Amino acid sequence: EPEVTQTPSHQVTQMGQEVILRCVPISNHLYFYWYRQILGQKVEFLVSFYNNEISEKSEIFDDQFSVERPDGSNFTLKIRSTKLEDSAMYFCASSAEGLAGIAKNIQYFGAGTRLSVL
Amino acid sequence: RKEVEQDPGPFNVPEGATVAFNCTYSNSASQSFFWYRQDCRKEPKLLMSVYSSGNEDGRFTAQLNRASQYISLLIRDSKLSDSATYLCVVTQRGADGLTFGKGTHLIIQP
Repeated sequence: EPEVTQTPSHQVTQMGQEVILRCVPISNHLYFYWYRQILGQKVEFLVSFYNNEISEKSEIFDDQFSVERPDGSNFTLKIRSTKLEDSAMYFCASSAEGLAGIAKNIQYFGAGTRLSVL
Repeated sequence: RKEVEQDPGPFNVPEGATVAFNCTYSNSASQSFFWYRQDCRKEPKLLMSVYSSGNEDGRFTAQLNRASQYISLLIRDSKLSDSATYLCVVTQRGADGLTFGKGTHLIIQP
């Protein structure tokens, strides 16, 4: 069964450092998403990406965050200068294109990257 | 982004029992509804979509009440493996980000 792959599974970084979280979405999917989940809290939407541009972002996704699809398979989330409060599980998700170019609404999630900011 | 509210539980239920929980959503423009399951420190996994007419998948039945903005999940003949956190999820359009509830924690006891 095709799956969303995320690397690394755990990233430890010092406050103020830049991190890049990597995702390989399911191969025929065209819509990509990043979510985060702070320990003990709900899953929160960060950003959606389609056709090489951001289609929607939440208020959490401020200037320290950026996303990129550097090649045909990877989708990355960069956090420019990490803060203690960025410590969370980051999930990548993808969905397929349905009829008339509209995304199918079922999103498949990767296993996540646990980011620990010290 | 509007909210999704769920009773966090935990619901402690004996194996074989029937358990039901529900959620409410505040965004009346929501169009798609789901139940996801999340095991401890794992990713959310789709359990089932929820349709206006209600739908069933094996031991699981989901109902949607658009007028009351209320979604329910019923689990029959519960198994130990059903122990997890059940996440109520809504979205407005296919490409939109999902809005998650905090989840209801279910513990099935032998």
